[in-house]
Amino acid sequence: GESVGLHLPTLSVQEGDNSIINCAYSNSASDYFIWYKQESGKGPQFIIDIRSNMDKRQGQRVTVLLNKTVKHLSLQIAATQPGDSAVYFCAENAGGTSYGKLTFGQGTILTVHP
Amino acid sequence: ETGVTQTPRHLVMGMTNKKSLKCEQHLGHNAMYWYKQSAKKPLELMFVYNFKEQTENNSVPSRFSPECPNSSHLFLHLHTLQPEDSALYLCASSHGQAQETQYFGPGTRLLVL
Repeated sequence: GESVGLHLPTLSVQEGDNSIINCAYSNSASDYFIWYKQESGKGPQFIIDIRSNMDKRQGQRVTVLLNKTVKHLSLQIAATQPGDSAVYFCAENAGGTSYGKLTFGQGTILTVHP
Repeated sequence: ETGVTQTPRHLVMGMTNKKSLKCEQHLGHNAMYWYKQSAKKPLELMFVYNFKEQTENNSVPSRFSPECPNSSHLFLHLHTLQPEDSALYLCASSHGQAQETQYFGPGTRLLVL
């Protein structure tokens, strides 16, 4: 069945370090993936997305890597800042009849220490 | 701000009350969504509307009744809820149902007593 899960529920890093948040997915038909950031008291905020015809995509200080062979997704944050502290979710969309239906992972809590 | 607003931000209601949650998007999108976010659980899709038509009801109990009068507004009418319905209710929108990037509002924190 469809499921998206995270390897690590919490991650603590020092300011300035690089952070890597991982996500595993089980639906091999998934062709679109999104990372969201959710700060306390706010809704999820779009960070970056990637389609299955790519294995890497870069944004400002963030990089998403997709390994379709092992159905693994990761979010890398460079030079992590205290403002990056939040819960990070990956989400997948399988397309086809599931168009528009995002399946979310449990979330990873990122804490950045000054 | 994402361009998606939700009111109220917080709501406390008894099990016999009737209340409504409101969502409005200012992005010109055509698809709108309701999600439920409970503690320690992934976001759960509840309803999807595309061009005002409901295209998805994810086995949601009838005590939750959505309404989409136009592409910019989405309501969730609540009636005889249970304490386990206490959660953060999130609204999202996207250009179309096929455009998968969804933009979320801040949510309504609901407590059912």
